[in-house]
Amino acid sequence: QKEVEQNSGPLSVPEGAIASLNCTYSDRGSQSFFWYRQYSGKSPELIMFIYSNGDKEDGRFTAQLNKASQYVSLLIRDSQPSDSATYLCAVNYGGSYIPTFGRGTSLIVHP
Amino acid sequence: DTAVSQTPKYLVTQMGNDKSIKCEQNLGHDTMYWYKQDSKKFLKIMFSYNNKELIINETVPNRFSPKSPDKAHLNLHINSLELGDSAVYFCASSQETGNYGYTFGSGTRLTVV
Repeated sequence: QKEVEQNSGPLSVPEGAIASLNCTYSDRGSQSFFWYRQYSGKSPELIMFIYSNGDKEDGRFTAQLNKASQYVSLLIRDSQPSDSATYLCAVNYGGSYIPTFGRGTSLIVHP
Repeated sequence: DTAVSQTPKYLVTQMGNDKSIKCEQNLGHDTMYWYKQDSKKFLKIMFSYNNKELIINETVPNRFSPKSPDKAHLNLHINSLELGDSAVYFCASSQETGNYGYTFGSGTRLTVV
C-alpha cells in the first residue's frame, strides 16, 4: 500500500525562524510531489509542486526533493504568524494522476 | 470570480435522507474530484472524473454517486445517509494529468444527526 507519512506536530517555531516540514513516501516510482497549506476551517491551497531532485524556491518557500531517500521537505523562511496552518504533503505515484495525501503537519508560528 | 465553487457550505440532515452537493469550476480543467476529509483531517479520494473515465475508490459505499452534467460540473449524490458520513467534502479540479496540482472548492461540512 502506497503511503505518505508526515509528523502530525504541532511544530512550533518563533516568528522569523525557518520552519522545516518533512514528508516521506513509500513508492520509489513516485513522480510528482505537492505541498498544500490548509488553514483551520478552510480548503487546501496549493503552495508548490516539485518533480526533480534538488531544491525549488518560490518566495519564502523552498521545496526539497530527495528521491533516493524518498523524502520531500518544505522550508519556510522568515516564518510569520500567518503561516500557522496545517501543511499537507501529496504524492502522485507513477501511472496515477490522483495523489495520495499525508495527514498533515500542524505548524504554529508564535510572535 | 470563484474558481471552484461548492454548495451548500453547511448541510445538516437526518439519517436515512438523500442529499446532493453541487460543484462547479470555471478554470477550464479537464478533471474533477471529490474528496472526503474526516475529523482527523485525512483527505481521502472518493471519485475522479473526466470526459473519458470515472475512477471510483473501491472503498466508497455505493450510496455515494457522482453525477456530471458537463465538463464544468461534478455533483455528489448521497443516498440513505449514515452518521459516519459526517465529514467535510471537498470538490477539486485539475488539468487532466494533475501534474500541476489541484484547485479545491471551499468545502461542504455535512453533519448527519
